[in-house]
Amino acid sequence: SQQGEEDPQALSIQEGENATMNCSYKTSINNLQWYRQNSGRGLVHLILIRSNEREKHSGRLRVTLDTSKKSSSLLITASRAADTASYFCAIGGATNKLIFGTGTLLAVQP
Amino acid sequence: EAQVTQNPRYLITVTGKKLTVTCSQNMNHEYMSWYRQDPGLGLRQIYYSMNVEVTDKGDVPEGYKVSRKEKRNFPLILESPSPNQTSLYFCASAHTGATYEQYFGPGTRLTVT
Repeated sequence: SQQGEEDPQALSIQEGENATMNCSYKTSINNLQWYRQNSGRGLVHLILIRSNEREKHSGRLRVTLDTSKKSSSLLITASRAADTASYFCAIGGATNKLIFGTGTLLAVQP
Repeated sequence: EAQVTQNPRYLITVTGKKLTVTCSQNMNHEYMSWYRQDPGLGLRQIYYSMNVEVTDKGDVPEGYKVSRKEKRNFPLILESPSPNQTSLYFCASAHTGATYEQYFGPGTRLTVT
């Protein structure tokens, strides 16, 4: 299966700390995307990294991609209570199709 | 405001009673897709459409139908719902191409008794 697998499944940190989530996958990719989902709501796109990129930043988000290890990480710096959500990686191939992982549930304690 | 809308947001129905969940987007996106989300399984694609009158099966299409008669609308049809279709459903849209982000609707929580 191409499904991305996130690690850890759940993460609890204090406000102000950094949160790191990892995603591993099994096949070649065109891109890897990260999405956030607040409880029971629609997913919101955070960042996309192409297979020929190694690192990308967006505000407090930093994504890395290691295609040799078939893995990606999402770092949220200086976390806030509002960052509490589930985070999903999605594997992108040659078309619009995305294969989603099962997600990391992040809880940021105020 | 650019958005994907779904209706209804919540639905409780009984086994075998046909239902339709509507999805509409106002971003002129060619690509639209339906997912279901179940605990521990992430999001799984049900059907997708690359453009008007072009639809194809995703990973879990059994028990579902779709149509794409207009670019903005992509309804999901359950002809004879069963309890195993109890789930949270999301519609999404995007421009055609691998590196476009997908925009998601707010979700439809369906319970089939």
